[in-house]
Amino acid sequence: GENVEQHPSTLSVQEGDSAVIKCTYSDSASNYFPWYKQELGKRPQLIIDIRSNVGEKKDQRIAVTLNKTAKHFSLHIIETQPEDSAVYFCAASFTVRRALTFGSGTRLQVQP
Amino acid sequence: NAGVTQTPKFRVLKTGQSMTLLCAQDMNHEYMYWYRQDPGMGLRLIHYSVGEGTTAKGEVPDGYNVSRLKKQNFLLGLESAAPSQTSVYFCASSTYGESARLEQYFGPGTRLTVT
Repeated sequence: GENVEQHPSTLSVQEGDSAVIKCTYSDSASNYFPWYKQELGKRPQLIIDIRSNVGEKKDQRIAVTLNKTAKHFSLHIIETQPEDSAVYFCAASFTVRRALTFGSGTRLQVQP
Repeated sequence: NAGVTQTPKFRVLKTGQSMTLLCAQDMNHEYMYWYRQDPGMGLRLIHYSVGEGTTAKGEVPDGYNVSRLKKQNFLLGLESAAPSQTSVYFCASSTYGESARLEQYFGPGTRLTVT
């Protein structure tokens, strides 16, 4: 089955700096890669996603890049703000099956 | 439009007791999922369903059973709870079709403690 590895497990940045979180996946059939943000005690919330036919996608201060050949994808957050502090999860799935395989999470702390 | 709801929000069980977690969605989604999240870890798939009357095993199905008798409901059962099943359980749903939006919508979670 699919295996998703995520790094780093914790990340601390100064407000205004950029943050990058990286994930690798094992199943070349995976073609959908979402990123979720989870605040303490809350449900995961989708922040951005990308399909395998796209190399990069941006939405305001966040962007995701995908390298299918290397089987890795990354989340980039620019101009970080304290409210970006949360746990971020990457995931991968094959569209027909839909079920997600999650990475282990990255705890991002943005220092004011 | 409530989205995905879960009942109950919290529960404490003794080892060996049984219980059922209920997930309901009002978005007419075909796909539904049960995940568990242990402290400091990502979500792991327990079981999922691609339509009414169908279920399939996920990554960690042992000790759980599921049923999808109605399209809007997906039930997760623990027949004989064990301390290793202490976790937060999330239900999710998504729509169908290659070109459709792939986002999974998550419920608020059920925090289960087995003593």
